[in-house]
Amino acid sequence: AQKITQTQPGMFVQEKEAVTLDCTYDTSDPSYGLFWYKQPSSGEMIFLIYQGSYDQQNATEGRYSLNFQKARKSANLVISASQLGDSAMYFCAMREGPGNMLTFGGGTRLMVKP
Amino acid sequence: KAGVTQTPRYLIKTRGQQVTLSCSPISGHRSVSWYQQTPGQGLQFLFEYFSETQRNKGNFPGRFSGRQFSNSRSEMNVSTLELGDSALYLCASSGGQGGRQETQYFGPGTRLLVL
Repeated sequence: AQKITQTQPGMFVQEKEAVTLDCTYDTSDPSYGLFWYKQPSSGEMIFLIYQGSYDQQNATEGRYSLNFQKARKSANLVISASQLGDSAMYFCAMREGPGNMLTFGGGTRLMVKP
Repeated sequence: KAGVTQTPRYLIKTRGQQVTLSCSPISGHRSVSWYQQTPGQGLQFLFEYFSETQRNKGNFPGRFSGRQFSNSRSEMNVSTLELGDSALYLCASSGGQGGRQETQYFGPGTRLLVL
């Protein structure tokens, strides 16, 4: 079974509008971390936001927020006020257990329209 | 503070050859992880090194190996290259102390093309 599922292969959003990128995960470990990364066409993965399994509040970082619904095992990324520079691939990832192994979803390609 | 650097950025090899990729982590970071990204398989974890020891290993054949030096710089080696090894190889570094919140920061990647 897929540990991280991103069901939207591609999405369009109008500039200045908000957009939600979906991510569901599967784990039996009570302690885990969820991450979102942005990958522009240049290839570098840029860290956006982190949510811990024990965190009570949804994480926020500037225009990025994470809608964390633990019971539903979902960790959706919300980007407010989209900008043209937000056009990129977005990956949801999870870390379980010790060490730094990240399991990634298949990604969502976001395209921002002017 | 300088970010993660990877060399070379682009590489073309032929089947059967071997290749070595290099990664310099962010200063002070002791953990280095390697990932392979292909259109078909997506992003897959190769291995993680911490304090010169392999701490985690993904599900890749033994042709893929790595090491870490005392200054935390890491190299990965792929021997007997196959066409399917063509990929973007990403290196990520983090402090290494562990903890759920530890964040990995990625380098720009090395694009390997095997002909």
